[in-house]
Amino acid sequence: AQSVSQHNHHVILSEAASLELGCNYSYGGTVNLFWYVQYPGQHLQLLLKYFSGDPLVKGIKGFEAEFIKSKFSFNLRKPSVQWSDTAEYFCAVNANGANNLFFGTGTRLTVIP
Amino acid sequence: KAGVTQTPRYLIKTRGQQVTLSCSPISGHRSVSWYQQTPGQGLQFLFEYFSETQRNKGNFPGRFSGRQFSNSRSEMNVSTLELGDSALYLCASSWRTGMETQYFGPGTRLLVL
Repeated sequence: AQSVSQHNHHVILSEAASLELGCNYSYGGTVNLFWYVQYPGQHLQLLLKYFSGDPLVKGIKGFEAEFIKSKFSFNLRKPSVQWSDTAEYFCAVNANGANNLFFGTGTRLTVIP
Repeated sequence: KAGVTQTPRYLIKTRGQQVTLSCSPISGHRSVSWYQQTPGQGLQFLFEYFSETQRNKGNFPGRFSGRQFSNSRSEMNVSTLELGDSALYLCASSWRTGMETQYFGPGTRLLVL
């Protein structure tokens, strides 16, 4: 079945620690990949996206993600997290010409000052 | 540019009633998609409208319907409400259909009693 998997449900880090959140998808064909973030009490915001080209994409607030086609993965990274990064992070995919997004279950990140 | 706006922000209804939610996309965006977010099921795609036509539909019962107007504004209707329809309903817009970046509104939180 087509799906998007985020294996980390809740991650707790201290400030300045490095972050890597996993995302794997199971769609064949052409895919576009996204990471969205939902800060407490706020709406979903786009962090970064991959459509084509350089598999290492940079987003807002120092986040980056690497698309590894052979592993069907699109992991999110940040070298040094801040307390303000506390939020829920969603990986999403659209595929095969359709505009509907398929979301992972989300990863809640808690950064301890 | 103003973002995606949704009204109302909060709604309380009782079982059996119907509800209409409204979404105004970012200016110039012609595609509007609707998603349901619940703690148990996560973010699930409901449907997409582009040029006043439904382009894509998720796996939801026929009680969930929508429409789009010539100014790209969209409404979503849920008839015969059930307790399980309690959720955050998110609207997202993109400038066209077909694997585009979607920008989300703040959502309408619906509570069914």
